[in-house]
Amino acid sequence: DQQVKQNSPSLSVQEGRISILNCDYTNSMFDYFLWYKKYPAEGPTFLISISSIKDKNEDGRFTVFLNKSAKHLSLHIVPSQPGDSAVYFCAARGAGTASKLTFGTGTRLQVTL
Amino acid sequence: GAVVSQHPSWVICKSGTSVKIECRSLDFQATTMFWYRQFPKQSLMLMATSNEGSKATYEQGVEKDKFLINHASLTLSTLTVTSAHPEDSSFYICSAQTRGSLNTEAFFGQGTRLTVV
Repeated sequence: DQQVKQNSPSLSVQEGRISILNCDYTNSMFDYFLWYKKYPAEGPTFLISISSIKDKNEDGRFTVFLNKSAKHLSLHIVPSQPGDSAVYFCAARGAGTASKLTFGTGTRLQVTL
Repeated sequence: GAVVSQHPSWVICKSGTSVKIECRSLDFQATTMFWYRQFPKQSLMLMATSNEGSKATYEQGVEKDKFLINHASLTLSTLTVTSAHPEDSSFYICSAQTRGSLNTEAFFGQGTRLTVV
């Protein structure tokens, strides 16, 4: 049972444009969400997170939006850069200080020149 | 951000042998570490939660006798793949959370590519 889903396995965006990566979840107990970027043969690198009490969090070129009623979050990258090309995972966590992360299936972003 | 070091970054071993992977939090204390496994083009699947000074909690379907986890200190957790077989070949990643943290990100190691021949 995939509790966190990223329905788009891949996405191609032109440099300078906006990249929008989507993530859906089913477990209403999740209250903290994170986005990670991952290159092949490397561990994930944290990008940005959002608590369920917020609907938006912004950090430089990265903005995460959370729609709790729809159980949906998205990551916006603007402007997209070639160095953003990687696999992006969304992850969700339940309440607690050391709850495990449940990862989505990942979306491969390709930023073209 | 906090640094988590995983060693080795890659290892090739023969079937039937055991392999130990180390995960260290370099600049913080981690009461909890997590071990993930990733197959090609798939998501990271949590294998077990490692708690300092106590037994690890394994996810359903993960053989605890095959994947031995030890969390001997607040900065070190080890995963030992015992009697490895080719189907154990995968990318193993650990993560750690800072002690007493609430709603913070987990920091990941670089991962270990295990190939069993």
